[in-house]
Amino acid sequence: QLQLQESGPGLVKPSETLSLTCSVSGDSISSSDYYWGWIRQPPGRGLEWIGIINYRGITYYKPSLKSRVTLSIDTSKNQFSLKLTSVTAADTAVYYCARLTVVPYCAGDCYFRYFDFWGQGALVTVSS
Amino acid sequence: SYELTQTPSMSVSPGQTASITCSGDNLRNKYIFWYQQKSGQSPVLLIYEDNKRPSGIPERFSGSNSGNTATLTISGTQSVDEADYFCQAWDSSTGVFGTGTKVTVL
Repeated sequence: QLQLQESGPGLVKPSETLSLTCSVSGDSISSSDYYWGWIRQPPGRGLEWIGIINYRGITYYKPSLKSRVTLSIDTSKNQFSLKLTSVTAADTAVYYCARLTVVPYCAGDCYFRYFDFWGQGALVTVSS
Repeated sequence: SYELTQTPSMSVSPGQTASITCSGDNLRNKYIFWYQQKSGQSPVLLIYEDNKRPSGIPERFSGSNSGNTATLTISGTQSVDEADYFCQAWDSSTGVFGTGTKVTVL
């Protein structure tokens, strides 16, 4: 069974960089059938899509976060990571990593499908 | 940027049908995915590609997508269905989640 586990500091100071890693077990991260993504959820609020990356390092980011977000992938460790710079209190949230199924024969937005496996989430608080 | 709008909350009696809507421009030309999130837990995929159920999802959950509105229907709602429900779609290679609907069963 595929499992994803987020790890990283639970407390980050304002203006600093939030860094999280997602460790994947139960399957290889190096498959053309999947992307790997980050989604966050501020306390008591809804889900916010942050970005996705595939095994080749191809990335897509939420436009409003693009200037502050970097996703990376390490296939040798079966991990992928999130960096979010210049954080503020508004970045306080539970951060989830998840696997995204894609459909290689479909062009355009139909290429991207669903998040079928999620990590348990990691609460990151931005505070001095 | 693209937006998906859901009714913030709704109540349903056990055994009744709950219809949760998700609205967005030209939605019928997009695939809709639905996720269920119970309190303190990670989201779970409930419906994919408008109306398909992953293995293990009860038959009482169904989906449809027409015009500018997608609908998640829970037939014979049970107390265990009390949760937040989020729709999701793709627009220009960007994922978008709906605003979420809190379903209370009472």
